[in-house]
Amino acid sequence: AQRVTQPEKLLSVFKGAPVELKCNYSYSGSPELFWYVQYSRQRLQLLLRHISRESIKGFTADLNKGETSFHLKKPFAQEEDSAMYYCALSGPNNNDMRFGAGTRLTVKP
Amino acid sequence: ETGVTQSPTHLIKTRGQQVTLRCSSQSGHNTVSWYQQALGQGPQFIFQYYREEENGRGNFPPRFSGLQFPNYSSELNVNALELDDSALYLCASSSREGWGDTQYFGPGTRLTVL
Repeated sequence: AQRVTQPEKLLSVFKGAPVELKCNYSYSGSPELFWYVQYSRQRLQLLLRHISRESIKGFTADLNKGETSFHLKKPFAQEEDSAMYYCALSGPNNNDMRFGAGTRLTVKP
Repeated sequence: ETGVTQSPTHLIKTRGQQVTLRCSSQSGHNTVSWYQQALGQGPQFIFQYYREEENGRGNFPPRFSGLQFPNYSSELNVNALELDDSALYLCASSSREGWGDTQYFGPGTRLTVL
C-alpha cells in the first residue's frame, strides 16, 4: 500500500540551528517524492521535488531508497521557515498523489 | 498568468444535501486534481481529470463525482452529504508534462456539514 509517514506533528528549533523534517514512505515501485509547504495564510505550494534535485530556500532532500526515506534538511533555520510542511509521493502517471499528515515547524528567534 | 481559483470560499450544508464546488485551472494547465483535507490531516486524493476524462481515483465512494470542462475548469460534486464530509476541499492544476509535473493549488473551499 502507498503510504507517507511524517512522524513529527510539531518541530521547534531556534534560529540558526539545523533542522530535519522526517519523511518515510512505502510504495511498490519507484515513486516521485515531493515536499510541499504552506506558510501562514497562504496556499499549499511546492517546495522541492526529488526529480529536479534542486535546493530551494536552502532546503535539500535526499531520497534514500534503502531506508525508504526523503528527509528535508536545512543547515541554518530562519524564522521565515516557520510553516506547515507536507511530504508527498506519486506514481509514474502522477495521478495518485499521497500526502503525509504534515509537520508544523516553528523557528524561534 | 492567472493562478488556481476556487469557489465558494465557505459553504454550510446539512446532512443528505448535495454540493457542487468549482475550480478554475491555472492558465495553460489541462489537468485538475481534487483533494479532501480534514482538520489536522494532510490532503487526501479524491480524483484527477485530464482533458475532460477521469484519470485516477482515490479511496472515495461514488457519491463523490466530478466534471472537467473544455476550458479545463472543473467541478466536484458530493451527494448525500455526511457529517464526515466536513473538510477543506483543494483543487490543484498541472500541465501533465509527465512524471512529477508540478501541481499548483487553489486556496480551497471550506465545507461544513451540519
